[in-house]
Amino acid sequence: DQQVKQNSPSLSVQEGRISILNCDYTNSMFDYFLWYKKYPAEGPTFLISISSIKDKNEDGRFTVFLNKSAKHLSLHIVPSQPGDSAVYFCAASGLTGAGSYQLTFGKGTKLSVIP
Amino acid sequence: DGGITQSPKYLFRKEGQNVTLSCEQNLNHDAMYWYRQDPGQGLRLIYYSQIVNDFQKGDIAEGYSVSREKKESFPLTVTSAQKNPTAFYLCASSSIGPQHFGDGTRLSIL
Repeated sequence: DQQVKQNSPSLSVQEGRISILNCDYTNSMFDYFLWYKKYPAEGPTFLISISSIKDKNEDGRFTVFLNKSAKHLSLHIVPSQPGDSAVYFCAASGLTGAGSYQLTFGKGTKLSVIP
Repeated sequence: DGGITQSPKYLFRKEGQNVTLSCEQNLNHDAMYWYRQDPGQGLRLIYYSQIVNDFQKGDIAEGYSVSREKKESFPLTVTSAQKNPTAFYLCASSSIGPQHFGDGTRLSIL
């Protein structure tokens, strides 16, 4: 059972427009959420995160929104640039039964920004 | 430059052989992790270690083994018991804050 879901495998956006990537989760114990960006044959790079005590976090062109009641978060990229073309992974973290924090990843959304 | 080094980048294994993937970090992070990524899938946790000489199984530990004798190093052995070892393997480390990843090792079975 997938605890973190990214229902759109791919997304195409025109350069300069907004990209919106969505993520849903089912585990109410998750309290910290992250977005990673990944290029082919490279490791994921941390992009932005949000704690469950907030509903918005902004860093330059990237903003993450969290709706706890809907168990939904989204990543907004404004304006989108061709260099943003990559796979974006949503990840969630919460205290496990073993007393540690682990990341659970979604399957990723491939963003293509068209010049 | 601080970071995580995974070697080799590409690895080939004959069926029935064990193979060890290297992961070294100079970030002074206490925790280290191994993930597996298959095409169209997210990252799945194999093993993790929060401190030297201690490690725990993740979601898909069967057919894998690890050791954590030094803080900087967390090698992963893919044993012959792993039925479908062909995948992209990623190592990560963290202290307080997000996990940082290496560039991965792609393992293929000949």
